[in-house]
Amino acid sequence: DIQMTQSPSFLSASVGDRVTINCKASQNINKYLNWYQQKLGEAPKRLIYNTNNLQTGIPSRFSGSGSGTDYTLTISSLQPEDFATYFCLQHNSFLTFGSGTKLEIK
Amino acid sequence: QVQLKESGPGLVQPSETLSLTCTVSGFSLTSYSVSWVRQPSGKGPEWMGRMWYDGDTAYNSALKSRLSISRDTSKNQVFLKMNSLQTDDTGTYYCTRVLNYGGPDYWGQGVMVTVSS
Repeated sequence: DIQMTQSPSFLSASVGDRVTINCKASQNINKYLNWYQQKLGEAPKRLIYNTNNLQTGIPSRFSGSGSGTDYTLTISSLQPEDFATYFCLQHNSFLTFGSGTKLEIK
Repeated sequence: QVQLKESGPGLVQPSETLSLTCTVSGFSLTSYSVSWVRQPSGKGPEWMGRMWYDGDTAYNSALKSRLSISRDTSKNQVFLKMNSLQTDDTGTYYCTRVLNYGGPDYWGQGVMVTVSS
């Protein structure tokens, strides 16, 4: 089974900051990596699919990059509505989620 | 539009069987796969299993011995049954549509399941 290691677990930042969240897979996942945002009491919402494809309706301040085993989500300029928990997910072989990053207001 | 909705009991006794239903609309179960994902409170999601568009199934190896996923395409429903429930099975259970090369896109609202006597 593929394991996903996500970092950091917690991130404190201010509105306007640029932040990055990382995921490392235990083996090559061929860019089959998605990023989701989850707010309290809600289902996850897909932001990015297949490493760097922006889901329709998601602001362009969200971007993704990576290849092989290492992937990154970048939020270029944090907005108040971006404070949430973020998960990566590999779908190269079944599905494996990262453990999540809780993004909090500094 | 695409919608998924989970239903089932909110409370299950330890050692009993959990039965959940995912009712979908806006797409065909013979064209798209559906996965079940669960999430303990305050923790990350865990993939449980998948009903492929062709009727095949796949399961998380950690749950395989307890889990069964089936479907009724005439009713647009996917079913989850998991036996021998314990307290650490408590959490929110989601169904999600899965694209062949895009992973999960649409999610249901989730159903909270508590395992307690």
